[in-house]
Amino acid sequence: QVHLVESGGGVVQPGTSLRLSCVGSEFTFNQYAMNWVRQAPGRGLEWVAVIWYDGSDKYYADSVKGRFTISRDNSKNTVYLQMNSLRAEDTAVYYCARSGPGLFYFDSWGQGTLVTVSS
Amino acid sequence: DIQMTQSPSSLSAFVGDRVTITCQANRDIEDHLNWYQQKPGKAPKLLIYDASTLEIGVPSRFSGSGSGTDFTFTISSLQPEDIATYYCQQYDHVPPIFTFGPGTTVDLK
Repeated sequence: QVHLVESGGGVVQPGTSLRLSCVGSEFTFNQYAMNWVRQAPGRGLEWVAVIWYDGSDKYYADSVKGRFTISRDNSKNTVYLQMNSLRAEDTAVYYCARSGPGLFYFDSWGQGTLVTVSS
Repeated sequence: DIQMTQSPSSLSAFVGDRVTITCQANRDIEDHLNWYQQKPGKAPKLLIYDASTLEIGVPSRFSGSGSGTDFTFTISSLQPEDIATYYCQQYDHVPPIFTFGPGTTVDLK
């Protein structure tokens, strides 16, 4: 049973930074691409970023490009999301999601961590 | 950018009813379309990928079809545990970009 656990959420002020972490277990972490997907309160899902299994490629949604950075440490089975210059509209539950073998769907999800950007 | 529309935005049905949700893309996306179920307060769950392939462990009452710009998701016989919001999601290969539809909330009459 794939297990993904996010951490690092909290309440921060606009313009500040936060780093989220997601630890994976019960699967071979370094064989899968990993993603962050967010959901603003009462809203739909928005894909944020993906990182290839070996960290060689990273892609971002336009809404976060230049502000957020995805990275991974396969020795720790962990994927990160560094979020800088946070805005109120970044307030959301952030989910870590594993890409399926076909790469372009998300076959396992964590429980999410809430980020609130407010003054 | 590819835009996704879903209809209806919400629906109510009886247990045992056949439920159909449609998802439309504003350009041809071949079969690059996936479906997820999200129950309140929970993470989404993959149900169908590549338009019509049922994820392992997902009940066979769920199905998907379509290609190009028009896609359909069907629950053949609605069960109480199917009450949730359903999202379609498309993907572009180059560069990899993923877009979700706005969602369809299904509840019981």
